[in-house]
Amino acid sequence: GAVVSQHPSWVICKSGTSVKIECRSLDFQATTMFWYRQFPKQSLMLMATSNEGSKATYEQGVEKDKFLINHASLTLSTLTVTSAHPEDSSFYICSARPLPGDYNEQFFGPGTRLTVL
Amino acid sequence: GQNIDQPTEMTATEGAIVQINCTYQTSGFNGLFWYQQHAGEAPTFLSYNVLDGLEEKGRFSSFLSRSKGYSYLLLKELQMKDSASYLCAVMDSNYQLIWGAGTKLIIKP
Repeated sequence: GAVVSQHPSWVICKSGTSVKIECRSLDFQATTMFWYRQFPKQSLMLMATSNEGSKATYEQGVEKDKFLINHASLTLSTLTVTSAHPEDSSFYICSARPLPGDYNEQFFGPGTRLTVL
Repeated sequence: GQNIDQPTEMTATEGAIVQINCTYQTSGFNGLFWYQQHAGEAPTFLSYNVLDGLEEKGRFSSFLSRSKGYSYLLLKELQMKDSASYLCAVMDSNYQLIWGAGTKLIIKP
């Protein structure tokens, strides 16, 4: 149990285009999902916390108009990178906190590698 | 500010034991996690400590001292597949994970 999927696994796009990444909890409901970004040889950086039915909470320095997050259901959150540029190339990972469950539980998706040309 | 410190890289020999240390300063504490991350993959959960002491799980053990803001991950009987990055993360008072930069562990035959 407690499986989180991400789609796509990897994507290559041209500069200026938008890319949508899906995060799904397959066998549990998640009121809260987290979006992380990881650059090579660096640790995970929390971008935003996504709560079902409400606006996402963005970390300092993360542009909410550029990284659009929609958490429309208890099993799906999407991250859209709008007008992507080469500096947005990174490994994007989501995690989900199950409901019901402990606040200390988070299950990670396999990640999405984005390359912007 | 919040800070998690762990060594950047460590090298050990197959079959040996290695200890990866982590020190932290965070606003509140709701537990410390250790994750393993292979290159190009998402982190996978290894251990969770919220009380002082040692938690043992097979070849891996994790220790916590809250008064010292200190934890370590102990890996025994090292195997080549243990070559990975090991991430220390602390859950703060807002139940958000604060991540260390990770320790790259290199296992040599």
